[in-house]
Amino acid sequence: NAGVTQTPKFQVLKTGQSMTLQCAQDMNHEYMSWYRQDPGMGLRLIHYSVGAGITDQGEVPNGYNVSRSTTEDFPLRLLSAAPSQTSVYFCASSRGQNTGELFFGEGSRLTVL
Amino acid sequence: KNEVEQSPQNLTAQEGEFITINCSYSVGISALHWLQQHPGGGIVSLFMLSSGKKKHGRLIATINIQEKHSSLHITASHPRDSAVYICAVDDNNNDMRFGAGTRLTVKP
Repeated sequence: NAGVTQTPKFQVLKTGQSMTLQCAQDMNHEYMSWYRQDPGMGLRLIHYSVGAGITDQGEVPNGYNVSRSTTEDFPLRLLSAAPSQTSVYFCASSRGQNTGELFFGEGSRLTVL
Repeated sequence: KNEVEQSPQNLTAQEGEFITINCSYSVGISALHWLQQHPGGGIVSLFMLSSGKKKHGRLIATINIQEKHSSLHITASHPRDSAVYICAVDDNNNDMRFGAGTRLTVKP
């Protein structure tokens, strides 16, 4: 099994550009989530989904959009990138919310100039 | 103040030593996770627990719900255990809160 696949691994954007971070899992997990990791601040939850068609905001949702049209995919969209969004982004999935271990993607390092 | 506090922030040990990393939280939770992040950046789930104690190989995790405290123990530590260990909680508002991590270095 591939597990959780994130793409791209690295991306450089200019301020104001848009982009989508892709996340796919092949474990038929209902719960998927996006986090950002910044030095000295640890991981923070951006958005999560408990199933296809259902999304909700986490701790730091501003500037990010998500959708969940299928169980497998949970893309994260930056509509107008800002330097404050420079970070490492992780996608994760689990069998259900609060049930089962989390499986993480390898991370995507985003730099906004 | 962060809802999830870990101690110590950094820990250096000699190979073979018994290691304890602590996690205290201030919110109501439904579950607590211990994660391991290697120097390459990948994150692996070690444990998810909501009560009692779990053991996997040389790793043991305990949680005391009344005291809002969890510990991660590593017995017979090895240089390959060198990593950042992260405590995370599923709070009762469906948010996940993370500690800042404990950087462990095990010297041969």
